Amino acid sequence: DQQVKQNSPSLSVQEGRISILNCDYTNSMFDYFLWYKKYPAEGPTFLISISSIKDKNEDGRFTVFLNKSAKHLSLHIVPSQPGDSAVYFCAASGFSGGYNKLIFGAGTRLAVHP
Amino acid sequence: EAGVTQSPTHLIKTRGQQATLRCSPISGHTSVYWYQQALGLGLQFLLWYDEGEERNRGNFPPRFSGRQFPNYSSELNVNALELEDSALYLCASSLISGGHTDTQYFGPGTRLTVL
Repeated sequence: DQQVKQNSPSLSVQEGRISILNCDYTNSMFDYFLWYKKYPAEGPTFLISISSIKDKNEDGRFTVFLNKSAKHLSLHIVPSQPGDSAVYFCAASGFSGGYNKLIFGAGTRLAVHP
Repeated sequence: EAGVTQSPTHLIKTRGQQATLRCSPISGHTSVYWYQQALGLGLQFLLWYDEGEERNRGNFPPRFSGRQFPNYSSELNVNALELEDSALYLCASSLISGGHTDTQYFGPGTRLTVL
């Protein structure tokens, strides 16, 4: 049973435009969400996180939005750059599973082209 | 500052053998986590060690085991290897703040192939 789902395996965006990556979760006990970015032959790199007490968190070009009622979060990258091309993983954690036990989605491959 | 390191980079074994994967955390980090990423899937949580103790375990059979040494480095052992154990095994480390989820920093992974 996939508790964290990223339904789009891939996304292609033009440089300078907005990239929107989506993530859905099923476990209402999740209360902390993270986005990781992964380049080939490297481990995932932490990008941004959000607690369930917030609905938005920004860090430079990256903004994460959380809609608790819909059990949905999204990562916005504005403006998109070719260096953003990578696989993006959404992850969640919560008290029931243990806060440091991250549940990951399958990832979305983002390609930013000139 | 050195990041999380893992060895070996690649490991090829045959079915039924045992595999040992190693991880060195970032200096000062006491927690080590192991994840499995099979082809086309997301990372699946395997194990969490902190201060030498197993703190949490994912939904994997007992033939997946590990330990954490006094210097906080860790080993993951997979016994009686099966073909479906072929995957990228990622190690991560973090500080433990005692608060909410601590940011985990990942190593580059060990690619295990079972023939």
